[in-house]
Amino acid sequence: DAGITQSPRHKVTETGTPVTLRCHQTENHRYMYWYRQDPGHGLRLIHYSYGVKDTDKGEVSDGYSVSRSKTEDFLLTLESATSSQTSVYFCAISVAGMGTEAFFGQGTRLTVV
Amino acid sequence: KQEVTQIPAALSVPEGENLVLNCSFTDSAIYNLQWFRQDPGKGLTSLLLIQSSQREQTSGRLNASLDKSSGRSTLYIAASQPGDSATYLCAVRRNYGGSQGNLIFGKGTKLSVKP
Repeated sequence: DAGITQSPRHKVTETGTPVTLRCHQTENHRYMYWYRQDPGHGLRLIHYSYGVKDTDKGEVSDGYSVSRSKTEDFLLTLESATSSQTSVYFCAISVAGMGTEAFFGQGTRLTVV
Repeated sequence: KQEVTQIPAALSVPEGENLVLNCSFTDSAIYNLQWFRQDPGKGLTSLLLIQSSQREQTSGRLNASLDKSSGRSTLYIAASQPGDSATYLCAVRRNYGGSQGNLIFGKGTKLSVKP
């Protein structure tokens, strides 16, 4: 699993509440990513980070923000959760020394009611 | 805009059969291509990584090929087993003049291997 831990693994929250998902890596890789996976859409990139305090938007970034204050942690925040953000969220890293191979965490299943 | 298509969306085969999963992409300017396996309710497991300069990669019963000029990759599974049942995802990494372009995923092929 390339030392990637996502927390929480499951969460149910109410519409309008803020939610923060955490991704933790143990190997100090520079690049980290947040994806969401939905039936019919596959995996889509939300945000990514290329270093501490360096982040950029992906394909579906509206309604999400991210922060990376330490190399090992990449946080995804839903400022005000909506039902359309019910999804499975995956964190990933890229390992440059292995030809830029991507490894994924186990996912967080988020339900917004 | 890069688009990745996987055909078929679902496949059911008897145990022991050799099979091929297909992946096509619209923009040949890729850095690499990666095949993943995903079991229900689980994360993605990396199976094979092919660099843009390579033609194929092998791991055990799996062989992945890449034809960048035609925008195609195949994943060949030899002597399939019920334990191979999973969804297989293909993803291409964009080449933005370096190695850290983002991954673009296909929607996957759901494979069922019947005993």
